[in-house]
Amino acid sequence: GAGVSQTPSNKVTEKGKYVELRCDPISGHTALYWYRQSLGQGPEFLIYFQGTGAADDSGLPNDRFFAVRPEGSVSTLKIQRTERGDSAVYLCASSLAGHTEAFFGQGTRLTVV
Amino acid sequence: GENVEQHPSTLSVQEGDSAVIKCTYSDSASNYFPWYKQELGKGPQLIIDIRSNVGEKKDQRIAVTLNKTAKHFSLHITETQPEDSAVYFCAASPPSEGDKVIFGPGTSLSVIP
Repeated sequence: GAGVSQTPSNKVTEKGKYVELRCDPISGHTALYWYRQSLGQGPEFLIYFQGTGAADDSGLPNDRFFAVRPEGSVSTLKIQRTERGDSAVYLCASSLAGHTEAFFGQGTRLTVV
Repeated sequence: GENVEQHPSTLSVQEGDSAVIKCTYSDSASNYFPWYKQELGKGPQLIIDIRSNVGEKKDQRIAVTLNKTAKHFSLHITETQPEDSAVYFCAASPPSEGDKVIFGPGTSLSVIP
């Protein structure tokens, strides 16, 4: 079956621009996570959805970052006024429930120039 | 919050030898410990996980041990093969932080043919 799909796979944007990153989780998975991974580091938690609601958004670095999951399936991570420090690979994962196997997508590599 | 440390950061072994990666965690309440393998350009993939009510778990060439008293856990790969070369991440999930997992910084494993 299909795994977690993230689009685009690569995104180059200019400093100050707005970007949206999309995640299509595995069908039926209620839990969805966004992580950010910088080069040579482990994934850093951003936000976790259980269904449509953000159960934990404590990892979002500031108010330029926002994520939605309006119908409990597809999620969009939105970054306003991008900065060069936002450059990283943004990973999405989904699982049937918390504390069960999380399946990751291949990530979106965001480069802010 | 939970903090996960991991070492070594890089590890080279000869094909057929064993590899051991060690992790420590700070929150004694953490009760779920997954291990992920990440190949270049791909998202992390779960290879094995262990819960706090178990001291050891094995799956073919891979085994994980957990010492709750010392708050450390280890990954053991036996009979290593070149395709085991990747970055490995340990992670911990404390109930106080919901269902998110906190990742270690990763170990880059190279298996030399």
